[in-house]
Amino acid sequence: EVQLVESGGGLVQPGGSLRLSCAASGFTVSSNYMSWVRQAPGKGLEWVSVIYSGGSTYYADSVKGRFTISRDNGRNTLYLQMNSLRAEDTAVYYCARERGRGVISPYFDDWGQGTLVTVSS
Amino acid sequence: QSVLTQPPSASGTPGQRVTISCSGSSSSIGTNTVNWYQQLPGTAPKLLIYSSNQRPSGVPDRFSGSKSGTSASLAISGLQSEDEAVYYCAAWDGSLNYVLFGGGTKLTVL
Repeated sequence: EVQLVESGGGLVQPGGSLRLSCAASGFTVSSNYMSWVRQAPGKGLEWVSVIYSGGSTYYADSVKGRFTISRDNGRNTLYLQMNSLRAEDTAVYYCARERGRGVISPYFDDWGQGTLVTVSS
Repeated sequence: QSVLTQPPSASGTPGQRVTISCSGSSSSIGTNTVNWYQQLPGTAPKLLIYSSNQRPSGVPDRFSGSKSGTSASLAISGLQSEDEAVYYCAAWDGSLNYVLFGGGTKLTVL
């Protein structure tokens, strides 16, 4: 059974940093495209970042230069390092397994439960 | 602001058929397939439709998707109370080079 479990969220001051983790089971993170998607309170979904199986990484313009996606193959875990956090980064952050990129519109077939990041003084 | 436009709300009575629209552009829906997600209150999104009209295993055939030009639709037939949720469309945008989501449509079963 595929399972994704996020952790690492919490309250952080503007300008601060936080690292999110997403532990996967039932499949191999490094063999898949993995994304982070966020959802501000009461708002819609926003794609944040992806890491390809080959290691290439891409970011939404809103987080480029501040967030870094990575993975630990031995731990089968995905990470999101978030620096220079702003109030507008406040959201539930979901990790998700991505399919279809390059062939059809990428879609997310497995999601974690999400972890809440609150940026506030 | 989302560049995939959905109506903020929709409603129907049990047993009814409802449709939710999603409008994009030539660089998004016009040239790429559309995916749909269902988000029940307090839960993570769930994939409902991919590649415009394909259902993942386990999704009832009451849910169907279609695409025409720069617009797409999600249809739900035989509406049930458990279908009350927020529905999001999503598509790749070849100009922005990332996945766009619509703003979501909250479906109420009356």
